Amino acid sequence: AQSVTQPDIHITVSEGASLELRCNYSYGATPYLFWYVQSPGQGLQLLLKYFSGDTLVQGIKGFEAEFKRSQSSFNLRKPSVHWSDAAEYFCAVVPRGNNLFFGTGTRLTVIP
Amino acid sequence: KAGVTQTPRYLIKTRGQQVTLSCSPISGHRSVSWYQQTPGQGLQFLFEYFSETQRNKGNFPGRFSGRQFSNSRSEMNVSTLELGDSALYLCASSLTLTNVETQYFGPGTRLLVL
Repeated sequence: AQSVTQPDIHITVSEGASLELRCNYSYGATPYLFWYVQSPGQGLQLLLKYFSGDTLVQGIKGFEAEFKRSQSSFNLRKPSVHWSDAAEYFCAVVPRGNNLFFGTGTRLTVIP
Repeated sequence: KAGVTQTPRYLIKTRGQQVTLSCSPISGHRSVSWYQQTPGQGLQFLFEYFSETQRNKGNFPGRFSGRQFSNSRSEMNVSTLELGDSALYLCASSLTLTNVETQYFGPGTRLLVL
């Protein structure tokens, strides 16, 4: 079945530590890939996107993501987390010719 | 450039009533999509409008409907509200059809059905 999987429901990291949020997808062809962040009570803000080309994508707020075709993954990373990064993170895909499908989200807690 | 705006931000209704939510896209954007976000079901696609025509529709009952005006502003309507319709309704806009373009989201309208 076609799906977007974020296996980690909740992650806790210390401020200054590195972060990796996982995202796997299951679609026939490589879809367009996105990461969005949602702060409490807010809408979704685009962090970064991958359509084609360089598999390492730089985004806003110091985030980056790497597309790995062999693993059908698009993991989000940040080398040093700030307290303001605490939020919910959503991986999303647009299968070619289709609409936006979201993963279930990963809630990030940052410990001072 | 102003972002996507949604009105109202909060709404309380009772079962059986109907509700209309409004979305103004980013200037120049012609596509508007609507999503429902609930703790149980997550983010689910409702429908997409482009050039005043519904282009895609998610798996929601006919009680959920929408429209788009010539200035690209969009409204969605939910009739005969049920408790399960309580959710955050997000609107997103993009330059063209969303299968090739990035979507930008508004802050959402939080609907509570009592």
